[in-house]
Amino acid sequence: NAGVTQTPKFRVLKTGQSMTLLCAQDMNHEYMYWYRQDPGMGLRLIHYSVGEGTTAKGEVPDGYNVSRLKKQNFLLGLESAAPSQTSVYFCASSSALGETQYFGPGTRLLVL
Amino acid sequence: AQTVTQSQPEMSVQEAETVTLSCTYDTSESDYYLFWYKQPPSRQMILVIRQEAYKQQNATENRFSVNFQKAAKSFSLKISDSQLGDAAMYFCAYRITSRPHFGNEKLTFGTGTRLTIIP
Repeated sequence: NAGVTQTPKFRVLKTGQSMTLLCAQDMNHEYMYWYRQDPGMGLRLIHYSVGEGTTAKGEVPDGYNVSRLKKQNFLLGLESAAPSQTSVYFCASSSALGETQYFGPGTRLLVL
Repeated sequence: AQTVTQSQPEMSVQEAETVTLSCTYDTSESDYYLFWYKQPPSRQMILVIRQEAYKQQNATENRFSVNFQKAAKSFSLKISDSQLGDAAMYFCAYRITSRPHFGNEKLTFGTGTRLTIIP
C-alpha cells in the first residue's frame, strides 16, 4: 500500500514549456486535490476532484488544468509555464467530504 | 471566508520538554474539522491529529494533544516529551464538513510554525 505517490519529484522548466504532474493513490479514495506551497505560506488549493470524471477550481486555478480520467489518478497540467509557478506541488486524497486528506511527497518545480 | 492564523513563525524546545503551538481560526460555521499536519525536511505532509468541532473532548494521539476552545476559536497543539524527530514545520488546517457542494472540500492552512528541538 503506497498511499499517495507523485511523479516527478523534481523538475526544471523554461518559461513557456508545458508539463504534466501525475498523482496516484491506491486507497480507493473518491476525492483528490492539488495544492501548491510557496515560501512563508500554507498550502493553497489549485484544483480538486470529487470523483472520476469530475474536476473543480480551487483558490488559485489560473494557469493550470487537471484531469481525472481514472479514479486512482489525478493529473495537473501546466500549458505554458511561468516563473510564478515555481513552487512545491502536493497532491492529496480523501475517502469522503470532511475526512482526513492524505498527502503525497510533493513535486518541486522550478520555472526559469 | 475562513482564515487560519499561526502567530508563532518559530518555536524551540529542549528535548524531553513540553511545547505548545498556537492556532486560531475564523469561521461562521458550526460544523467543521481541525487538523495539525507535520512537515519534516522531507517535505511530506503528515497528519498529526484531528479534531471534530462537535466533540467537546480534546483529541489525543500518544504524545500529541490539542486544546480546542470552540468559543474562542482556538486550537493549540501540545507536544509532550519532545523528541528530535519532532523537528518540523507544523501546520494548522481547517475544513468544513457540511454542505457537500463545490467549495467546501478544501483545507485552509495557516502559515506554519517551525519547531526546533534542542538536544
